[in-house]
Amino acid sequence: EVQLVESGGGLVKPGGSLRLSCAASGFTFSSFNMNWVRQAPGKGLEWVSSISSSSSSIYYADSVKGRFTISRDNAKNSLYLQMNSLRAEDTAVYYCARDDCIRTTCPLTWGQGTLVTVSS
Amino acid sequence: QSVLTQPPSVSGAPGQRVTISCTGSSSNIGAGYDVHWYQQLPGTAPKVLIYGNNYRPSGVPDRFSGSKSGTSASLAISGLQAEDEADYHCQSHDSSLSGSKVFGGGTRLTVL
Repeated sequence: EVQLVESGGGLVKPGGSLRLSCAASGFTFSSFNMNWVRQAPGKGLEWVSSISSSSSSIYYADSVKGRFTISRDNAKNSLYLQMNSLRAEDTAVYYCARDDCIRTTCPLTWGQGTLVTVSS
Repeated sequence: QSVLTQPPSVSGAPGQRVTISCTGSSSNIGAGYDVHWYQQLPGTAPKVLIYGNNYRPSGVPDRFSGSKSGTSASLAISGLQAEDEADYHCQSHDSSLSGSKVFGGGTRLTVL
């Protein structure tokens, strides 16, 4: 069974940093592109960042570029999101999500999420 | 503001049929990128409902169907059931930012 388990969320002050982790199991992690997607309270989903299976391609939303860094450790079956210079508007549930490609189309398979609250 | 536009809410009585629209532009849906739909039950993570515009994963009832035309896509739910009450999100890709995934703002379905 595919499992994606996020951790590392919590309360942080504006300007602070936090590192999220996503532990993957039940599949060959090194073969899949991975993503972070967030959802602010009562709001829709917002794509944050993506990383290819070998880390050769990395992409960020404009809203986090220069502040967030996505990375992965295929030996540890883990995905990470280093978040610096956090702002109140970064408050959200952060989901780890796998590109679940079927032929040429790639919907997402999601973890359960971890809540990040940025507040003084 | 979300890149894809969905109605904030729709409602219907049990047994009825409802549709949820997802409107994009020439840089995303209109550029030929696939649309996926996710169902998010209260307090849970999203789950894929429709992928590749109109395909259902195994286990998803055939009451759910998807379509795409031009710069828009639609999710149709027939034979509404109380358990369908949830948030529904559409997702595609956009050529304006390399590697980006774009979402709609989500639609809350209320079963009356």
